Amino acid sequence: DVKVTQSSRYLVKRTGEKVFLECVQDMDHENMFWYRQDPGLGLRLIYFSYDVKMKEKGDIPEGYSVSREKKERFSLILESASTNQTSMYLCASSPGTANEKLFFGSGTQLSVL
Amino acid sequence: EDQVTQSPEALRLQEGESSSLNCSYTVSGLRGLFWYRQDPGKGPEFLFTLYSAGEEKEKERLKATLTKKESFLHITAPKPEDSATYLCAVGVTGGSYIPTFGRGTSLIVHP
Repeated sequence: DVKVTQSSRYLVKRTGEKVFLECVQDMDHENMFWYRQDPGLGLRLIYFSYDVKMKEKGDIPEGYSVSREKKERFSLILESASTNQTSMYLCASSPGTANEKLFFGSGTQLSVL
Repeated sequence: EDQVTQSPEALRLQEGESSSLNCSYTVSGLRGLFWYRQDPGKGPEFLFTLYSAGEEKEKERLKATLTKKESFLHITAPKPEDSATYLCAVGVTGGSYIPTFGRGTSLIVHP
């Protein structure tokens, strides 16, 4: 079975801190995604990567950056955490064919105080 | 612009009370429609993919159907363990790797 592992289930950070969220997948998938999920707003795409060192902005990239130095690892970086970035963050991966189903990690609940 | 709308936003059922969740979509060209289940505090889990109108997929008490404008997730004789948020997503033609998600339906099944 495909496994997508997010490094932390819960994270508490202070305003202004630089925050790293890590995601690793074990099925050699080309595509990796970072979403945030908030009540009433559904899943919103932050960034997408279709290959190593390749990335595309999603719907809400402001305040975030990403890094994909290796195929299996996709990192989300909050350059200077703010309280409005308190949210559930979900990483996902999919094979290299268009529009295949996504495999999600368990999520990281981030609280910024 | 591709759009996916799920209804209702929330649904409460008694155990054994069958019902349906709706996912309507407006896309330039449908490549696939996906249903996911999400338990509280966890990531979504894949349930079904439907590719063409008239197609149906079943898994235990769940059956997904697809028309040219919408998909239904039918839940027959639900149990409390079916309580979850159900998400619908569409993939479109044109080579995009990014599916469009609906906001989900939160289902609670009371014993």
